[in-house]
Amino acid sequence: DQQVKQNSPSLSVQEGRISILNCDYTNSMFDYFLWYKKYPAEGPTFLISISSIKDKNEDGRFTVFLNKSAKHLSLHIVPSQPGDSAVYFCAARSNNNDMRFGAGTRLTVKP
Amino acid sequence: EAGVVQSPRYKIIEKKQPVAFWCNPISGHNTLYWYLQNLGQGPELLIRYENEEAVDDSQLPKDRFSAERLKGVDSTLKIQPAELGDSAVYLCASSLGGKDYQFFGPGTRLTVL
Repeated sequence: DQQVKQNSPSLSVQEGRISILNCDYTNSMFDYFLWYKKYPAEGPTFLISISSIKDKNEDGRFTVFLNKSAKHLSLHIVPSQPGDSAVYFCAARSNNNDMRFGAGTRLTVKP
Repeated sequence: EAGVVQSPRYKIIEKKQPVAFWCNPISGHNTLYWYLQNLGQGPELLIRYENEEAVDDSQLPKDRFSAERLKGVDSTLKIQPAELGDSAVYLCASSLGGKDYQFFGPGTRLTVL
């Protein structure tokens, strides 16, 4: 069962523009959400997270937005840089530490 | 600080053969995870350890998969016998506690022929 969905397998943006990666979830027991970034031949690395009690968390060029009523979160990268090209995984965790990952979105930032 | 170490990085075996993967987590991390990642998919949890105790192994196919974390540090994941469908990347991750974000190793890419 796909409790965390990333419906866009890929996204291409121009350098300097905004990248918006989307994620939807179905389980209302999820209370913590994370984004991981993965380069080829490496494991995923933690990028940014948000608790369900917040609707926005910002860290430099990265901002995550959470819409609990819609069970939707998004990651905004502004401005996008070629080094941001990677696969981005959305993850959601419930109170019992059960964590589920989406299938990932491959972001390509063109110079 | 060293990250999560996994070995081997790549493994090619024939079906029905056994295979084992090793993971050394970040020093001091109590929680250790093994994930399976199929091509084009996100990581799927196989087993989670809190120290040496397996606290969630509900997704581990116990007929052929086994894992251990002796002394609450290093861990091994074994498949015996391997099947064609086991070809995937096996990721190990660790965290300070169950509610902290995870640090992932580079993974072991298994190919079963």
